Formats: sequence, structure tokens, C-alpha cells
Amino acid sequence: DAGVIQSPRHEVTEMGQEVTLRCKPISGHNSLFWYRQTMMRGLELLIYFNNNVPIDDSGMPEDRFSAKMPNASFSTLKIQPSEPRDSAVYFCASSPQFSSGGNRYNEQFFGPGTRLTVL
Amino acid sequence: SQQGEEDPQALSIQEGENATMNCSYKTSINNLQWYRQNSGRGLVHLILIRSNEREKHSGRLRVTLDTSKKSSSLLITASRAADTASYFCATGYTGANSKLTFGKGITLSVRP
Repeated sequence: DAGVIQSPRHEVTEMGQEVTLRCKPISGHNSLFWYRQTMMRGLELLIYFNNNVPIDDSGMPEDRFSAKMPNASFSTLKIQPSEPRDSAVYFCASSPQFSSGGNRYNEQFFGPGTRLTVL
Repeated sequence: SQQGEEDPQALSIQEGENATMNCSYKTSINNLQWYRQNSGRGLVHLILIRSNEREKHSGRLRVTLDTSKKSSSLLITASRAADTASYFCATGYTGANSKLTFGKGITLSVRP
């Protein structure tokens, strides 16, 4: 089975340019998460979707960041315009979210990440 | 602020020794998970323990959960050099909210 697929794996761009990161979740998973990881701030949740609907975008740093999930098999995270402080590794994760005894549990499966460098 | 806080921040042990890592959290949870991250890779799920469970095993991994102390520990027995990685605890909550809150991680180095 293919895991979560992210592209590109590495992106180097100049300040002010638009950057689009892509994610294909595992088939059948109904939740999708975008994270950013830096040494200083650790792993931060940016936004997540349930059944293609954005549920919580409170972690999105500012209006320069936007995310979409047009269908169950594809999501994008866009940064426009990019800034050097956006340099980080961006992870996408998906989750099947199962229920048991009235509670919901959600093991997350992470992609390999996109290493973004903004010069 | 992040929910889970791991302790210690870094741990260095000799191959064959046991490694114990701790995680504390602040509010009620319905499950706690541990993940591993090898350098340059994404996180990999290791084990999930529900709030009504006290201990769980998976291979060389043993996880405990003490909800009264709001803490969990991850024990890796008979460590191997391949266990060298960062380890994260993540907490999940009751209700429709499906997100997890991750700690900052513990860097484990296992010396051959």
C-alpha cells in the first residue's frame, strides 16, 4: 500500500514567490492534517480537514497561508507570498479515525514531508 | 501551548540498555499515542493507549498511562542502534475533534 504521498520533497524558492505543497492521503482515510516542523517551534498543526471540510485552521500563521481539499484524495497548502521565516519541513498526515465504545481514536499516518527553503 | 511535554529532552544510552521516556499533559484526554521520527523522515505511529487502559505492550515497547498524574511513559527494552530517533507523545480528546496535540519530542541516541 502506498502511504501518504507529498510533493515536492524539496523546494527552494525566493522570498515573495508562491509555493504550493501537495498531498495525497491514504485511500479511505477521512481526516487530513497539515503540520509544520522547525527546530525552534517543534511540530505545529496548521489546519485539518474531516471529510474534505476544514475543521480547524487556527494554526495557520497568517493570511499568506491557505489550504484546500477539493476531493478525498488531494490537498494543497499554498504560501503566497513566501518569506524566509516560512522555511521548515511541512508534513501532511491522514487518519482513518475509528470509533469504539462511543469514543473516537485517530492514529495518524505521516507523509515524508516537504523541506521548504525560502531565500 | 502544547499539551504533551516529554522528559528528558535528550537521552543517550548503550545498546542493550532500556530507555524510559516520560510525557506529561495538562487536560483530560481520551487517548495518548507515541510516535517515532527518524532523521529526515515523517513520524511513525508506535502505539496508542486509551484513557481507560493502564498499560500496553507492543514488541519491545511498553507504555503506561496514569490519568491521575496526567502522565505516560514509554519503555523500550533491549535497545538497538536502530532505535536512535526522536520520540513524540501526542494526546487526543473526547468528542468530534480528531486532532492530536504533539509534544516537542525526545531525542534518543543508542550507542553501539
